[in-house]
Amino acid sequence: DVVMTQSPLSLPVTLGQPASISCRSSQSLVHSDGDTYLSWFQQRPGQSPRRLIYKVSNRDSGVPDRFSGSGSGTDFTLKISRVEAEDVGVYYCMQGTHWPPWTFGQGTKVEIK
Amino acid sequence: EVQLVESGGGLVQRGGSLRLSCVGSGFIFRNYWMYWVRQAPGKGLVWVSHINSDGSTTTYADFVKGRFTISRDNAKNTVHLQMNSLRAEDTAIYYCLRALGSEGESWGQGTLVTVSS
Repeated sequence: DVVMTQSPLSLPVTLGQPASISCRSSQSLVHSDGDTYLSWFQQRPGQSPRRLIYKVSNRDSGVPDRFSGSGSGTDFTLKISRVEAEDVGVYYCMQGTHWPPWTFGQGTKVEIK
Repeated sequence: EVQLVESGGGLVQRGGSLRLSCVGSGFIFRNYWMYWVRQAPGKGLVWVSHINSDGSTTTYADFVKGRFTISRDNAKNTVHLQMNSLRAEDTAIYYCLRALGSEGESWGQGTLVTVSS
């Protein structure tokens, strides 16, 4: 199984400042079709998760452009250019290249300092 | 608007059974794979099971194999998760997800399953 490792697990940030979350996979997430199936999900307190990013760097409809995804192979990053209060929650990466199983990172809790 | 509505959760004794359902609307249900993902209280997300668009292929996490069965009824836009031999560690919120191929997209609001020991 592919192990997804996120860091940090807790991320206190100042409003208006940038934030960055790392996600590393135990093997390359490049699929034989050439795509890389790495997604990022946001889970606000008390809500179900919502996808932000798919295939490493593609933003879902309605996702603010302050969110961006990057990376390749085994190393991926989610960046928030300027954190807003509504960004508080837990962020998860998930791989869909080597399945089953689909695997998630442990989650990174973003909170305001 | 894409909507996924889960139901069927509740309190059940260890060893008991529950059947979860998820009804999709706002999209062509038969075109999508569907997943179940669970989240134990205060914990992270864990994939449980998947079914392809016509129901011919299903997969399961090792910890539910032989106990859980996923199925779908495309005429009713519904996916089910039959859960048998429930254990305390199955206590979680169960979410259904719509997936385009191997990529999970939209989530339901979840249904809580509590297994009492």
